[in-house]
Amino acid sequence: EAQVTQNPRYLITVTGKKLTVTCSQNMNHEYMSWYRQDPGLGLRQIYYSMNVEVTDKGDVPEGYKVSRKEKRNFPLILESPSPNQTSLYFCASSSQGLGNQPQHFGDGTRLSIL
Amino acid sequence: RKEVEQDPGPFNVPEGATVAFNCTYSNSASQSFFWYRQDCRKEPKLLMSVYSSGNEDGRFTAQLNRASQYISLLIRDSKLSDSATYLCVVNKGSGYALNFGKGTSLLVTP
Repeated sequence: EAQVTQNPRYLITVTGKKLTVTCSQNMNHEYMSWYRQDPGLGLRQIYYSMNVEVTDKGDVPEGYKVSRKEKRNFPLILESPSPNQTSLYFCASSSQGLGNQPQHFGDGTRLSIL
Repeated sequence: RKEVEQDPGPFNVPEGATVAFNCTYSNSASQSFFWYRQDCRKEPKLLMSVYSSGNEDGRFTAQLNRASQYISLLIRDSKLSDSATYLCVVNKGSGYALNFGKGTSLLVTP
């Protein structure tokens, strides 16, 4: 089954404790992206990757890092999490095509930073 | 002006009603347009792409007006299961990054 898998689904942690949210897709998609969703603000892009070893900042990259060492994986790293990073996070992937390919989303990761 | 703007609603309609959502976008170079559906606390899912000539998928019709930078979604014969938030999505010009509207909330009542 074609899917985007995120882990963990839920995490409660404390300020400053490094964490990684993993994202994996099995559709051989070139493009992957991370979003956060907050009430009243909608989905905002954090980082995206056009292909292996190619990443770029989205609209809200501060406090986050990503890497794309393999095509299928695109982990999101919070080196020193802070409470304002409490949010619902989605990973998504799509084939490059002509830029008009829809994105497939993971189930989401709900992070709470205390 | 926000990149993608939608009326947040909520739209409360009875079953069987026809409802229309509108969306405007600011980047005239945008080439790709979508409507996504998001259920509460779930991931967004593609409802339909929006093509220049307009397109229909069952009870759903999407229209694009490039001159006015305006996209619409029409839902006919609303079902209870249509209750969700509908997200207007537009790509950022020539790239693959996407701008999401904040969504329009629809509640279909018996």
